[in-house]
Amino acid sequence: EVQLVESGGTLVQPGGSLRLSCAASGFTFSSYSMNWVRQAPGKGLEWIAYITSSSSTIDYADSVKGRFTISRDNAKNSLFLQMNSLRDEDTAVFYCARGEGSAGWLIDFWGQGTLVTVSS
Amino acid sequence: EIVLTQSPGTLSLSPGERATLSCRASQTVGDNHLAWYQQKPGQAPRLLIRGASRRATGIPDRFSGSGSGTDFTLTISRLEPEDFAVYYCQQYNTSPRTFGQGTKVEI
Repeated sequence: EVQLVESGGTLVQPGGSLRLSCAASGFTFSSYSMNWVRQAPGKGLEWIAYITSSSSTIDYADSVKGRFTISRDNAKNSLFLQMNSLRDEDTAVFYCARGEGSAGWLIDFWGQGTLVTVSS
Repeated sequence: EIVLTQSPGTLSLSPGERATLSCRASQTVGDNHLAWYQQKPGQAPRLLIRGASRRATGIPDRFSGSGSGTDFTLTISRLEPEDFAVYYCQQYNTSPRTFGQGTKVEI
């Protein structure tokens, strides 16, 4: 069974930093691209970051470029999102999501999400 | 950036009725790389349709997708109680991958 379990979400002050993790199981993690997608409270979905299976290609939404960094550790079946210079508008549930194949852009499976609250 | 506009915002229907959801793109979505997702309260989204018209694995055949270019449709032929949810379209051909704002299907 495919599973993606996010962790690391918490309350953080504006300007602070946070690192999210996603533990993958039930599939060959090293063969799939991965994404982070967020959802502000009561709002829609926003794709924010993508990484290919080998980490050779990385892409970000403009809203997080220069502040967030996506990375992965295929040996540990883990995906990460380092978030710096956090703003109030970054408050959201952050979903780890699997891409189709090693470099596919289609998202075919989602984790349950972790809540990040940015507030003083 | 491709902007996706979904309509209507809310669809009020009864079980057994047909639901027709629209997704219009501000530019052509290349290769019909358009997906539909279902999200229930407190849950993660679930992939329903890929490539505009191909059902994802395990999705019942009452869900169908159609369209090309800039106009896409998700149809639920006969609503089941578990189908009441929010539906999002997403284009995955051009970066940034963008989502529509969602259509809520309610009883």
